[in-house]
Amino acid sequence: GIQVEQSPPDLILQEGANSTLRCNFSDSVNNLQWFHQNPWGQLINLFYIPSGTKQNGRLSATTVATERYSLLYISSSQTTDSGVYFCAVEQAGTASKLTFGTGTRLQVTL
Amino acid sequence: NAGVMQNPRHLVRRRGQEARLRCSPMKGHSHVYWYRQLPEEGLKFMVYLQKENIIDESGMPKERFSAEFPKEGPSILRIQQVVRGDSAAYFCASSQEHSNQPQHFGDGTRLSIL
Repeated sequence: GIQVEQSPPDLILQEGANSTLRCNFSDSVNNLQWFHQNPWGQLINLFYIPSGTKQNGRLSATTVATERYSLLYISSSQTTDSGVYFCAVEQAGTASKLTFGTGTRLQVTL
Repeated sequence: NAGVMQNPRHLVRRRGQEARLRCSPMKGHSHVYWYRQLPEEGLKFMVYLQKENIIDESGMPKERFSAEFPKEGPSILRIQQVVRGDSAAYFCASSQEHSNQPQHFGDGTRLSIL
């Protein structure tokens, strides 16, 4: 099956700092999604981005499908950004299941 | 426009009991997926269903676990004779089509086995 690797595994930022999270995947994909799992365990949909670039407020994401990676940018981080960020992909030619990476755990401090 | 609804949010069972987890997909969505998240891990796919059909159950344990998505009513994930290792968060997702569409997730059911 497809392999999904995220880096870094852990990240500590001061409030106001910017960061880039990376997701590498080992095969062609139909679907790529970024999620934020907050400290209460809820999974928040951030982006559906199988290719190209999207922006939503302080967050933006870019997927370069031909090179099999995606980046999530967080600018002017806030304490509410803390949690775990997951990248999930649907391998091309498979029946829709998402394969999740192991996540990046982000802690934003004052 | 309600999102994916899962209930209960928390479920406590003793070893050997049955656990039934429910999921109502978003309005207009006919594809349902179940995922399991063990503590400190990512989510792992379990099963993909459409109305009255199991499409892919490659991630489901062979014993004690079953899933259904009847013509009427929510999708049900059923775990029989629960064991401590079944303690996890179980997430349901739905999508409009089977591919090239985002999956929308519910808030999950936290299952604890005493």
